[in-house]
Amino acid sequence: DAGITQSPRYKITETGRQVTLMCHQTWSHSYMFWYRQDLGHGLRLIYYSAAADITDKGEVPDGYVVSRSKTENFPLTLESATRSQTSVYFCASTPANGNQPQHFGDGTRLSIL
Amino acid sequence: KNEVEQSPQNLTAQEGEFITINCSYSVGISALHWLQQHPGGGIVSLFMLSSGKKKHGRLIATINIQEKHSSLHITASHPRDSAVYICAVSGNQFYFGTGTSLTVIP
Repeated sequence: DAGITQSPRYKITETGRQVTLMCHQTWSHSYMFWYRQDLGHGLRLIYYSAAADITDKGEVPDGYVVSRSKTENFPLTLESATRSQTSVYFCASTPANGNQPQHFGDGTRLSIL
Repeated sequence: KNEVEQSPQNLTAQEGEFITINCSYSVGISALHWLQQHPGGGIVSLFMLSSGKKKHGRLIATINIQEKHSSLHITASHPRDSAVYICAVSGNQFYFGTGTSLTVIP
């Protein structure tokens, strides 16, 4: 199906573990984004990518790693999860940054115990 | 300092009421976006506008570039309109408001 999909939808893990959240889009959009959503903060940008093999930090990148070896995939890795990274994570894509809407995935609810 | 401010934070309305959600921003923008998020659900783009007004069904979005202000109006509100409405602006990057939680009571 066309669109943007995130997996898993829900994840529970323990502090110190590595966890990877997946994001896949079928539109061949150039730009992809990872956000976290926490009460009182709205959406905050973690990392974004303008094209394959091009990534850049957002507002809250510490503790996260991304890669973009293919245009359609943009995985987000927490190398050593901490409780403060418990959040809802959204992936988004857009064909052109700034003057086109972003299309969002359904989100991944991540709990770190 | 938040680049995008929304008001009110929470809003409860009776079915059929006219609803207004406000958004002010402090940065230069290419466009302003209104997004909708249902409880436990994903985020959907409702409008993208850079001037004037747009209408889609019972939803109307307006923007005043000089005043750096936008409003989202819902006419004849319905319980299915209950959601969080998020204002975002885009220029070099996206900035998001913290959202307005709307509950429409039957």
